Amino acid sequence: NAGVTQTPKFQVLKTGQSMTLQCAQDMNHEYMSWYRQDPGMGLRLIHYSVGAGITDQGEVPNGYNVSRSTTEDFPLRLLSAAPSQTSVYFCASSRTRAGPRNTEAFFGQGTRLTVV
Amino acid sequence: EDQVTQSPEALRLQEGESSSLNCSYTVSGLRGLFWYRQDPGKGPEFLFTLYSAGEEKEKERLKATLTKKESFLHITAPKPEDSATYLCAVQATDSWGKLQFGAGTQVVVTP
Repeated sequence: NAGVTQTPKFQVLKTGQSMTLQCAQDMNHEYMSWYRQDPGMGLRLIHYSVGAGITDQGEVPNGYNVSRSTTEDFPLRLLSAAPSQTSVYFCASSRTRAGPRNTEAFFGQGTRLTVV
Repeated sequence: EDQVTQSPEALRLQEGESSSLNCSYTVSGLRGLFWYRQDPGKGPEFLFTLYSAGEEKEKERLKATLTKKESFLHITAPKPEDSATYLCAVQATDSWGKLQFGAGTQVVVTP
């Protein structure tokens, strides 16, 4: 009963490096999303996907890339890390085909990223 | 633009001292309002969804209510284990799946 699994839990990058944050869910949810959480600002949506092969931008997409080749996986790529991307990143998944209700999102444990 | 404002930013309570957290929102059309609990170093944990004004949901010492402009999370006779950050989020009818979060209320309950 894993739910949403994120790896790694912690990462330090140098400015300009690239990396991929992994996210996997085992609940057969159609909808997956990535948020970043910064002090005093709440969680902000980076990218989301409503199903395999379909992705779209959220509120703060610049500097990030996503793809969704399977229902289970939704990796987030940092193309060229910058200090402004230092944050805690959360992946979430939820149902959409259950109708207008029961669409609560389930979150992973987060990846704490520091860019130096 | 959808907006969510939570107050207060922080709340310190004595064990057993009941209080309420506020979540004010503006959204074009509300599909749902969600409350989450977040412990330090962890991801948000789902608590409640409210769909229409007048709706109430309860879980142990927590009770969430909803009006057309705000939601309240009432904590009755809190215990130290209720210490956490409580997050409010709204989902608009034209933003399927997307959540707009408030900044959260950090609650500390002392024995």
